[in-house]
Amino acid sequence: EAGVAQSPRYKIIEKRQSVAFWCNPISGHATLYWYQQILGQGPKLLIQFQNNGVVDDSQLPKDRFSAERLKGVDSTLKIQPAKLEDSAVYLCASSPGSFSYEQYFGPGTRLTVT
Amino acid sequence: DQQVKQNSPSLSVQEGRISILNCDYTNSMFDYFLWYKKYPAEGPTFLISISSIKDKNEDGRFTVFLNKSAKHLSLHIVPSQPGDSAVYFCAARWGPNAGNNRKLIWGLGTSLAVNP
Repeated sequence: EAGVAQSPRYKIIEKRQSVAFWCNPISGHATLYWYQQILGQGPKLLIQFQNNGVVDDSQLPKDRFSAERLKGVDSTLKIQPAKLEDSAVYLCASSPGSFSYEQYFGPGTRLTVT
Repeated sequence: DQQVKQNSPSLSVQEGRISILNCDYTNSMFDYFLWYKKYPAEGPTFLISISSIKDKNEDGRFTVFLNKSAKHLSLHIVPSQPGDSAVYFCAARWGPNAGNNRKLIWGLGTSLAVNP
């Protein structure tokens, strides 16, 4: 079974630029999560999708972050414009059902904002 | 406000000995507690869970203990192996009363080094 795929693996941008991350979850998984992990901290949930609907986006900085999950499969997370404090690893995870505590993570995208 | 706390940033043990990783939490509304393991440049991997109504769950070399009165859980690895060297995250899930906000709350992680 293929795991969660993410691209790119690494990205370096200057502040005020835009960036987008892509995630392909495990086939058949209805729930998709985007997390932000700052160095030395645990993952923080940014947004949770159930199929193509948003379940929880309470911690998503909506003035600069946006995410979509078209057709309930792949998802993109965008930051526009980026700030220095957005430097982090962005993790995508999926699970078969909603609110599952067993989530399957991709390798992450390491973003550096200079 | 750190609701899930891992107070030891790192731990070093000898191969074959027991590793004990600790986690404290502040909220009684969590219904499940989890341990995830993370290798460098990879995403976290689910390791073991325990329901808030249990006090012990065992899976091979890994055992998690829950002390609800102390709001404390621990992960025991016996015997420890060099391949167990990783960062271990403790996480907790909000119970059904949280409605749609049943996100996982994560600790800061403990870096375990198992020395040959």
